[in-house]
Amino acid sequence: QLELTQSPSASASLGASVKLTCTLSSGHSHYAIAWHQQQPEKGPRLLMKVFNDGSLRKGDGIPDRFSGSSSGAERYLTISSLQSEDEADYYCHTWVSGIRVFGGGTKLTVL
Amino acid sequence: EVQLVESGGGLVQPGESLRLSCAASGFNVGSNYLSWVRQTPGKGLEWVSIIHSDGSTYYADPVKGRFTISRDNSKNTMYLQMKGLRTEDTAMYFCAKDSPSEGVEYWGQGTLVTVSS
Repeated sequence: QLELTQSPSASASLGASVKLTCTLSSGHSHYAIAWHQQQPEKGPRLLMKVFNDGSLRKGDGIPDRFSGSSSGAERYLTISSLQSEDEADYYCHTWVSGIRVFGGGTKLTVL
Repeated sequence: EVQLVESGGGLVQPGESLRLSCAASGFNVGSNYLSWVRQTPGKGLEWVSIIHSDGSTYYADPVKGRFTISRDNSKNTMYLQMKGLRTEDTAMYFCAKDSPSEGVEYWGQGTLVTVSS
């Protein structure tokens, strides 16, 4: 069963960095994932895609403060120089053939 | 510029039907993958259905047999016909431009469906 696991919450101070984790289920560690951001009362937007070779493809207009990486079954989103508008829900997402899967999301609080 | 605008949401009673629309611009719906994703109030994202460029369709288990995804290339619009609605179908429904090898890429702003007696 293709599944994605995320911690429900994270927090970091304004101006600091934070690293969010998304874990692929057993047998699926080679899958690419995407990170989506959903700010309060808004629709989601694509931040970037993270491939298992560590390569990235960013969404339109995503600043350099957002970066991604990969290790084994884990995919990471790192946000540096945190700003107040980064307080949002972050979802990882993966796909295969006719199936799309989302993680449960991580609520990021900027202190 | 890719734009997706959903419409058709509203308040319905359990067992009733509703059809959602997703008007696309900046690309052709007929040559792309398109998905519906929903979000229960205060909860996470749940994939609902996808239509491939070849017309093949797939559904999440909770909606199989009740929901039908389709598109009208002449109107550059995708649809989600929902029948036998249940209270647990209450959610914001987003349409999304998808990709066969890279998943969801662009999102609409959503349309709210409320199923309540």
